Amino acid sequence: GAVVSQHPSRVICKSGTSVKIECRSLDFQATTMFWYRQFPKKSLMLMATSNEGSKATYEQGVEKDKFLINHASLTLSTLTVTSAHPEDSSFYICSAGQRLNYGYTFGSGTRLTVV
Amino acid sequence: AQSVAQPEDQVNVAEGNPLTVKCTYSVSGNPYLFWYVQYPNRGLQFLLKYITGDNLVKGSYGFEAEFNKSQTSFHLKKPSALVSDSALYFCAVRARNDSGTYKYIFGTGTRLKVLA
Repeated sequence: GAVVSQHPSRVICKSGTSVKIECRSLDFQATTMFWYRQFPKKSLMLMATSNEGSKATYEQGVEKDKFLINHASLTLSTLTVTSAHPEDSSFYICSAGQRLNYGYTFGSGTRLTVV
Repeated sequence: AQSVAQPEDQVNVAEGNPLTVKCTYSVSGNPYLFWYVQYPNRGLQFLLKYITGDNLVKGSYGFEAEFNKSQTSFHLKKPSALVSDSALYFCAVRARNDSGTYKYIFGTGTRLKVLA
């Protein structure tokens, strides 16, 4: 079955630094990957759609200069949180799949804590 | 506006009893509906989907969901709950972007607690 690997699972960083989160599709090629942020009250917010070989499509209200997305290959998308602040602390989840109609596979998530 | 609603923040059920987790949706066109489960500090796991065909969809771990077009609902059900079913459940619908591409819209999630 489709497997999506997300790394790291947990990261603690200092305020002002940047953090990179990787999302890899291990046994399939994903032209599209999605990045979500999950807030403490559990709602899942789509941040952006990552497209291989082109610019990501950001949802309204998401700062593209703050959350840099790169989809360099058919199996790897990265989310970089730049100049992180404590309010960026959250659970970030990626997902990928071969066809949106048939249920995407989610990564195991990254718990980011900015201190 | 395209949306998904999960009206219950939490559902408590005794082990062995049937469970229902509610979901209603609003989407243009034919709905493609999904249920996912999330365990603590983990990503989401796919449970089941409705694309077309029979209104009763069977999925993983004994779960099923019933698509009701007139009520725009897609409630998740299980005949006999297990303590291990305790988790966070998300309903999702495929929605169309203005650009013509698609994305998921998720409900706010329902925490299921199965009591021994």
